[in-house]
Amino acid sequence: DIVLTQSPATLSLSPGERATLSCRASQSVSSYLAWYQQKPGLAPRLLIYDASNRATGIPARFSGSGSGTDFTLTISSLEPEDSAVYYCQQRSNPGFGQGTKVEIK
Amino acid sequence: EVQLLESGGDLVQPGGSLRLSCAASGFTFSSYAMIWVRQAAGKGLEWVSGISGSGGSTYYADSVKGRFTISRDNSKNTLFLQMNSLRGEDTALYYCAKVRTTSGWYIGHWGQGTLVTVSS
Repeated sequence: DIVLTQSPATLSLSPGERATLSCRASQSVSSYLAWYQQKPGLAPRLLIYDASNRATGIPARFSGSGSGTDFTLTISSLEPEDSAVYYCQQRSNPGFGQGTKVEIK
Repeated sequence: EVQLLESGGDLVQPGGSLRLSCAASGFTFSSYAMIWVRQAAGKGLEWVSGISGSGGSTYYADSVKGRFTISRDNSKNTLFLQMNSLRGEDTALYYCAKVRTTSGWYIGHWGQGTLVTVSS
């Protein structure tokens, strides 16, 4: 099975700063990777699919990139409401990475 | 509008059984694979089980294989998870989820979850 490893575990940044989250696959998943955002007490929501496509209604400050084994979720200018845990997932195996918590200072 | 409403979560003793249900609406249920995902308190997301749109193919995480059974009733737009031989580590919020498209396991919609607590 392909294992997804996310880093860092926690990211603490100020509003307006750029956040860069990483997801690494144990073997190539081509461009078939998604990112989810989960805020406290809520179900997750899809942000990005197929590495770089924003889901419906997702603000443009969220972007995804990468292919093969290395992927990045970038939040270009953090807003207070972006405080959440972010998970990656590959399309062919529904398992998730362990998550990155983004804290807004 | 897609809606997924889970039910059946409860407090159960170790070794016991529970059946979760998920009532779906707002889409052609039989066209989409469905998934159960769980989340223990303060922990990450764990995929539990998935089932194809027809119900003919099922998939399980190693942690629940042989103990849990996923099924669906497409005539009633309902997804099920039969959980047997429950353990403390099965304690979690269980989400019902709909895949985004008819191919792949990306999740497009989530329910709000039903809480399963395994404790004596």
